[in-house]
Amino acid sequence: KAGVTQTPRYLIKTRGQQVTLSCSPISGHRSVSWYQQTPGQGLQFLFEYFSETQRNKGNFPGRFSGRQFSNSRSEMNVSTLELGDSALYLCASSPPRQGADTQYFGPGTRLTVL
Amino acid sequence: QQQVKQSPQSLIVQKGGISIINCAYENTAFDYFPWYQQFPGKGPALLIAIRPDVSEKKEGRFTISFNKSAKQFSLHIMDSQPGDSATYFCAASVVLTGTASKLTFGTGTRLQVTL
Repeated sequence: KAGVTQTPRYLIKTRGQQVTLSCSPISGHRSVSWYQQTPGQGLQFLFEYFSETQRNKGNFPGRFSGRQFSNSRSEMNVSTLELGDSALYLCASSPPRQGADTQYFGPGTRLTVL
Repeated sequence: QQQVKQSPQSLIVQKGGISIINCAYENTAFDYFPWYQQFPGKGPALLIAIRPDVSEKKEGRFTISFNKSAKQFSLHIMDSQPGDSATYFCAASVVLTGTASKLTFGTGTRLQVTL
């Protein structure tokens, strides 16, 4: 089975712009979670989607949003980018039987905000 | 309440030695404790995981020890190899609604295995 794929792998944006990141889960996985990884804050949970519904949300401002499509692919959007949004954004998918706690991560999208 | 504390921040071990990374948690509702391994430029990869009804789980050279009363768990890497050099994260999760859960990660341990 192919793993979790994320596109693009690298992005450079400027402050004030918005960005959309894409994640394709492992085939058959219906739960998709997003995490932000920074050297200072580590890995922090953004949100989780299951069957196109957001089931859980972390402590991030409303500038961070996401959605999931009927084929389980997910996108996250960050509007009005700030310098502090520079990070590795990781997507993880979970198999339906094991629940959302068994998560398999993609390689991430490295976002740099200038 | 949701925090997971991980130590040490970095670790240098000689080839063939034992690497030990420790984590402690506060939230007694946590019911799943995975360890992830991350190489530079890659996403975290699930290494091994344990649930609170088991005190130890071993997979190859990797062992999780779990102490429910102390709210601590640790990763032991036996016969450490240079290829084990990576950053290791402990994590914990609790089911929030239905089958939804989120992972709370430790701060990571950078392991270097020297020849």
